[in-house]
Amino acid sequence: QKEVEQDPGPLSVPEGAIVSLNCTYSNSAFQYFMWYRQYSRKGPELLMYTYSSGNKEDGRFTAQVDKSSKYISLFIRDSQPSDSATYLCAMSALTGGFKTIFGAGTRLFVKA
Amino acid sequence: DADVTQTPRNRITKTGKRIMLECSQTKGHDRMYWYRQDPGLGLRLIYYSFDVKDINKGEISDGYSVSRQAQAKFSLSLESAIPNQTALYFCATSAGTSGSDSTDTQYFGPGTRLTVL
Repeated sequence: QKEVEQDPGPLSVPEGAIVSLNCTYSNSAFQYFMWYRQYSRKGPELLMYTYSSGNKEDGRFTAQVDKSSKYISLFIRDSQPSDSATYLCAMSALTGGFKTIFGAGTRLFVKA
Repeated sequence: DADVTQTPRNRITKTGKRIMLECSQTKGHDRMYWYRQDPGLGLRLIYYSFDVKDINKGEISDGYSVSRQAQAKFSLSLESAIPNQTALYFCATSAGTSGSDSTDTQYFGPGTRLTVL
């Protein structure tokens, strides 16, 4: 079993839709939860991060962490064609040595 | 100018050849990483370095070696390339957890697309 599971998609939605992207994980030591966005032929770039459980909002994006269920989500409101990209979740355990694990990424297409 | 640069951006080579991928950064970060990305498998860590004298194996280090020539430079070598090393390779840097960024956020280069025939 992988430490981080993420559905690779692809996920195709119409412009203006609410998008929900999710990851599950098995290691309870993870403390920081991140979402990276990767456009085609580019490197991943950090979109948002959260520490421990709870929600964090940044414009049209909301990151949600439920540590009790080992489940994290990224919601995109009013999705735009420019949101079309691959979204990777990542998680870090900063104690006991370095450990950051990335999900496989979900490919999102937003149709105009 | 980009903070993390990788050269070359694309490379096609033959089985058995030695290949070096180079990474440079201007972010002043101590930590540097090499990943490969394959469809459906995501990013997998090959090697990482927390300072010039520190080199650590990652999840998939077999067939690869690295050199940390300076704080700003971290190169990845394939001593004898094989076709299943065909992938997208990314270098990343991070500042560590002692400063203002306690998340140790990683910043990625643009990637090198390597094809081994």
